[in-house]
Amino acid sequence: NAGVTQTPKFRVLKTGQSMTLLCAQDMNHEYMYWYRQDPGMGLRLIHYSVGEGTTAKGEVPDGYNVSRLKKQNFLLGLESAAPSQTSVYFCASSFEGDRVSSPLHFGNGTRLTVT
Amino acid sequence: GQNIDQPTEMTATEGAIVQINCTYQTSGFNGLFWYQQHAGEAPTFLSYNVLDGLEEKGRFSSFLSRSKGYSYLLLKELQMKDSASYLCAVKDSNYQLIWGAGTKLIIKP
Repeated sequence: NAGVTQTPKFRVLKTGQSMTLLCAQDMNHEYMYWYRQDPGMGLRLIHYSVGEGTTAKGEVPDGYNVSRLKKQNFLLGLESAAPSQTSVYFCASSFEGDRVSSPLHFGNGTRLTVT
Repeated sequence: GQNIDQPTEMTATEGAIVQINCTYQTSGFNGLFWYQQHAGEAPTFLSYNVLDGLEEKGRFSSFLSRSKGYSYLLLKELQMKDSASYLCAVKDSNYQLIWGAGTKLIIKP
């Protein structure tokens, strides 16, 4: 049981390049999330999905796109990377439904540097 | 606006007790979570409080006062492996999680 798996773990991009981060979970969770974590700030929600084929914007969606074609996968895309997108990105999943107490299960993160 | 406040950094001694505070101002309340995050790793779930009072789980306990917008995480018999950041998060009326910036806990021998 791998839980939540993110790839890649590290990436360096030049300004204007594009990339896709992949997140996979094997817990049959309905809800999946992409967060970014920056020094001195709380986790900020980029996009999330409440089920296969659905996506929604979070707190900081600009410059990112997502897709959830399969229940177990949630992809985060950067179309034209900017230095402001240098951050650590975390994918997470949860059972949710009517369980407001459902905790998040996080992947190990992707450290992205944009030069 | 919505806001979660926690101390930036705390230092404690191995074997001692430490209390990490979290105060919040959110639009509605559907529970408060504590997560532990070791440096370079993913956050992991520690506790969930939705009713006032103390929840004990081994060496860790979490307290909530909804009327005061206040919670604390109590760590007893501190071990070196408890050196980590502790994240407080509140689920608001829209069931969105609002996160604090985290408290870095340094344990000294």
